[in-house]
Amino acid sequence: DGGITQSPKYLFRKEGQNVTLSCEQNLNHDAMYWYRQDPGQGLRLIYYSQIVNDFQKGDIAEGYSVSREKKESFPLTVTSAQKNPTAFYLCASSNWTGDNEQFFGPGTRLTVL
Amino acid sequence: KNEVEQSPQNLTAQEGEFITINCSYSVGISALHWLQQHPGGGIVSLFMLSSGKKKHGRLIATINIQEKHSSLHITASHPRDSAVYICAVPSNYQLIWGAGTKLIIKP
Repeated sequence: DGGITQSPKYLFRKEGQNVTLSCEQNLNHDAMYWYRQDPGQGLRLIYYSQIVNDFQKGDIAEGYSVSREKKESFPLTVTSAQKNPTAFYLCASSNWTGDNEQFFGPGTRLTVL
Repeated sequence: KNEVEQSPQNLTAQEGEFITINCSYSVGISALHWLQQHPGGGIVSLFMLSSGKKKHGRLIATINIQEKHSSLHITASHPRDSAVYICAVPSNYQLIWGAGTKLIIKP
């Protein structure tokens, strides 16, 4: 089955630790995205990548880093510089077309203690 | 003013009622997306439409490009329809997201 996987579903970390969230897709999509969602709020774009070895900052990139070494994978690292990292993180992918229909993974709920 | 605005923000209705959620946008678009976010957080795409109307089961989406307005309708609503419904429009190969409409259907 084609789709997007994110792991883990729930993640707990101590304050000050970096943590990496996994996102893998087998849809052969060129573009991948990371979003953050806070309770009762909409999606905010963190980073996106149009192609392997290239990525762009979104609206709230500070305190986050990404890599795109393979087409299938787009991991997100939440660094200790991110002041309020507790949130729900969603990964998505799409064909890089104007209509930009995005397909989402199940999300990772990160809690920093 | 936000480029994509949804109304209402919250909607509570009784099972069986006809539901309408509205989305207005201010940018020129090639298509508009309606998505559903389940209480557990997962997001699924419901519709992508660029003109007219689309129907899938009890869900109907309409768009008026001239008026820059789209509506999502749910007929014979059911408690399992309870979710957040989001509209989004493409812009510069990204999506501009509405804030979402939280729908609760009571049995």
